[in-house]
Amino acid sequence: GAVVSQHPSWVICKSGTSVKIECRSLDFQATTMFWYRQFPKQSLMLMATSNEGSKATYEQGVEKDKFLINHASLTLSTLTVTSAHPEDSSFYICSASRTGGGYTFGSGTRLTVV
Amino acid sequence: QKEVEQNSGPLSVPEGAIASLNCTYSDRGSQSFFWYRQYSGKSPELIMFIYSNGDKEDGRFTAQLNKASQYVSLLIRDSQPSDSATYLCAVVGGGYNKLIFGAGTRLAVHP
Repeated sequence: GAVVSQHPSWVICKSGTSVKIECRSLDFQATTMFWYRQFPKQSLMLMATSNEGSKATYEQGVEKDKFLINHASLTLSTLTVTSAHPEDSSFYICSASRTGGGYTFGSGTRLTVV
Repeated sequence: QKEVEQNSGPLSVPEGAIASLNCTYSDRGSQSFFWYRQYSGKSPELIMFIYSNGDKEDGRFTAQLNKASQYVSLLIRDSQPSDSATYLCAVVGGGYNKLIFGAGTRLAVHP
């Protein structure tokens, strides 16, 4: 079946540094990648949508200069949290959609900013 | 008004009972509806999807969709303690076929 590999699964970084999260579709071409953030005991909140080769579309209230999304190929999308602060600590999950429908989720990245 | 609404629970049912989870959505043009299960600290797992009005059954799970009432539900028969998790309703909407999630309902199945 369709698999999205997300790395790292967890990361601890110092406040002010940047962290990159990768999502790769292993056996299909991800036409669109969605990035979500989930705080404890809350639901998945969509941050942005990216299509291969074009700029990401960010949801209202999400800072595009802080959360940089790159979708350079049909199998790879990255989310970079720049100048991370403790309030950015969260569970980040990517989801890829593919031609014909369906959504495949990555395993998530637990980010802790200290 | 939130786009997708769910009762946060917790919904507590005894083992072997039927658990009923409900979801309403605001976009009347929505066409695709999904139910996911999420264990703590894990990524969501797809349970089933439904596109057409009526019922769709898959094993112990039945999804029900009523587009006129903008309502979708999930029934879990013969509930097991391993079914204890948060159940997320998701609706496809907006441009790019975005998947929008409800807040989730916590289900607790007790022996």
